[in-house]
Amino acid sequence: QQQVKQSPQSLIVQKGGISIINCAYENTAFDYFPWYQQFPGKGPALLIAIRPDVSEKKEGRFTISFNKSAKQFSLHIMDSQPGDSATYFCAAPRAGTASKLTFGTGTRLQVTL
Amino acid sequence: EAQVTQNPRYLITVTGKKLTVTCSQNMNHEYMSWYRQDPGLGLRQIYYSMNVEVTDKGDVPEGYKVSRKEKRNFPLILESPSPNQTSLYFCASSTRASGSSYEQYFGPGTRLTVT
Repeated sequence: QQQVKQSPQSLIVQKGGISIINCAYENTAFDYFPWYQQFPGKGPALLIAIRPDVSEKKEGRFTISFNKSAKQFSLHIMDSQPGDSATYFCAAPRAGTASKLTFGTGTRLQVTL
Repeated sequence: EAQVTQNPRYLITVTGKKLTVTCSQNMNHEYMSWYRQDPGLGLRQIYYSMNVEVTDKGDVPEGYKVSRKEKRNFPLILESPSPNQTSLYFCASSTRASGSSYEQYFGPGTRLTVT
């Protein structure tokens, strides 16, 4: 069973700071690695995703860094804002099955004023 | 509006009383899936379906059943619920189109409590 290890479990960052969440994966399929964002009382929603043959993907204040040799990828949130306070899940494409994604355990981010 | 709907949103039941959580999507997606979310454990897949009449087990299928008789609907059935099935449940759907299968659309969630 594929595992995706996500850290930290929770994170408190001051407004304007950088939030960094890390994930490590095992064997996967060759497909996108997404990050999902979940606000309280809502379902997760796709935030940003990266192809495994690319080392970095940036969309606004959100950047994914991907290290294929180390089997690790991370989400960086620049200039963190209180509105970024949410739970973030990384996910890796499953190898050998058609069941899509294995999710990490989630990181609860709180951005303080 | 493209969306995944789930009903009910909240449910309190007793051990052993059969229940069904419905899921419907209006995006003509082939792939649908059920997850449960528990503190510290993240999202774990229960069952998934690649298309009508095609379903398969995920990581935590014990105690659950599913069916896919129509493309838009994917109900989750708990025939004899137990307290360890108390959780937050999400239905999700996605297209199978190459290059976009990583984008899953999630429903709003169903919070189930089994006493």
